[in-house]
This record gives sequence, structure tokens and C-alpha cells, in this order.
Amino acid sequence: NAGVTQTPKFRVLKTGQSMTLLCAQDMNHEYMYWYRQDPGMGLRLIHYSVGEGTTAKGEVPDGYNVSRLKKQNFLLGLESAAPSQTSVYFCASSPSGTDYNEQFFGPGTRLTVL
Amino acid sequence: AQSVTQLGSHVSVSEGALVLLRCNYSSSVPPYLFWYVQYPNQGLQLLLKYTTGATLVKGINGFEAEFKKSETSFHLTKPSAHMSDAAEYFCAVSLNTGGFKTIFGAGTRLFVKA
Repeated sequence: NAGVTQTPKFRVLKTGQSMTLLCAQDMNHEYMYWYRQDPGMGLRLIHYSVGEGTTAKGEVPDGYNVSRLKKQNFLLGLESAAPSQTSVYFCASSPSGTDYNEQFFGPGTRLTVL
Repeated sequence: AQSVTQLGSHVSVSEGALVLLRCNYSSSVPPYLFWYVQYPNQGLQLLLKYTTGATLVKGINGFEAEFKKSETSFHLTKPSAHMSDAAEYFCAVSLNTGGFKTIFGAGTRLFVKA
């Protein structure tokens, strides 16, 4: 099993450009998440999904959109990138939303917005 | 409100020395507690977790943590540090409400000196 994979690994954007980050998991997990990681701030939840066709806002959703058209994929979109969105983005999945379930993380996407 | 505090953004130990990474949480209900480890340029992976039962939890790579309700702490320890333990460690807490909220601490970077 590949686990959780993310595409691309690195990206540089100019302010105002758009892009989509792709997350895929092969563990048949119901729940998927997008986080951003910034120095000294840990991981902050952007959006999450509790199943195919459903999405919800997390702690820092502004400037991002998501879609979960297929159970195994969770897409994160930036419609008009801003320098404040320079960060490392992690996708994660878990079997369910039960709090004691661990989350499985992808390797991350390092995004720089100039 | 639920929160996680990791004391010390950086901890440095000598190889063979005790590792102690501190985590305190605040929660109005019994929490589920986790420690994740992040090696350079990788995603997070679960080190150990506390759900219910025994308060001393053993994880991978010789790490363990003890849940102390009276102190609202979940400190991570390892008796003897190895060079391969150099990484960033994140404490996380989920509320035992069946809800959907995991909060991550800001992280502690562990350096191991030869």
C-alpha cells in the first residue's frame, strides 16, 4: 500500500495564480484532512471531509476550497494565491472521525508564493 | 477551550541521555492524547497514543508517555537517546466527545549530540 500520497511535492507560484493540490489514499479511509504547517504554529486544519461528496471548514479555511468527488481523493484549491499561503501542506486520512483514531499523513507539499 | 502546550520549541540531548519532551493540555472532558514524530521532509507518523486504561503508554522506538490527569500532562520520554531520534515531535489532543477536533501542539525539535 502506498498510504497517503500528495502531488506535487514542491511548487512555486506568483501572487494571484491558482493551483490544486491532490491527495490520494489507498486505505479506504472515510475521513480526510488538509493541514498547513508553519514554523512555531504546529498543524492547523484547513478543511476536512467525512466522506465522499462532503466537506467542512476547519480552523483556517479562508482562501482555500476543497472537493471530495471520490472517496480516495481530496483536492485542495487555491484560487488566487497570496504570500501568506506560503507553507507546507499536509494531507491526512483516518478510518473514521472517532477521536481515538490516529491520522495517517502524506509527505507534504512545500508551496512558496512570491 | 481545548489547547495543547509543548514546553520548549527546541530540546538538545547527548546520545545516550534521557529524552524528556513536555506536553500539557487543557480540556473540559477526558481527552485522547497522541504523540506524533516528523522526520525531516516527511509527514507525521504516530509514535503512541492514550485512549483509556493504563496511563503509561509505550510506543515505537523505545518511547513512552504517561497520562497524568491531575497535572494535565502527557510527557514523552525515552531512557537513552539515539542519533536517529533527531526529529520534530508533536503532541495532540482530541476530545472524547465523538466530535471531530484534534488540536496539535506547536512542536518540539529534538537535537541529539554525539
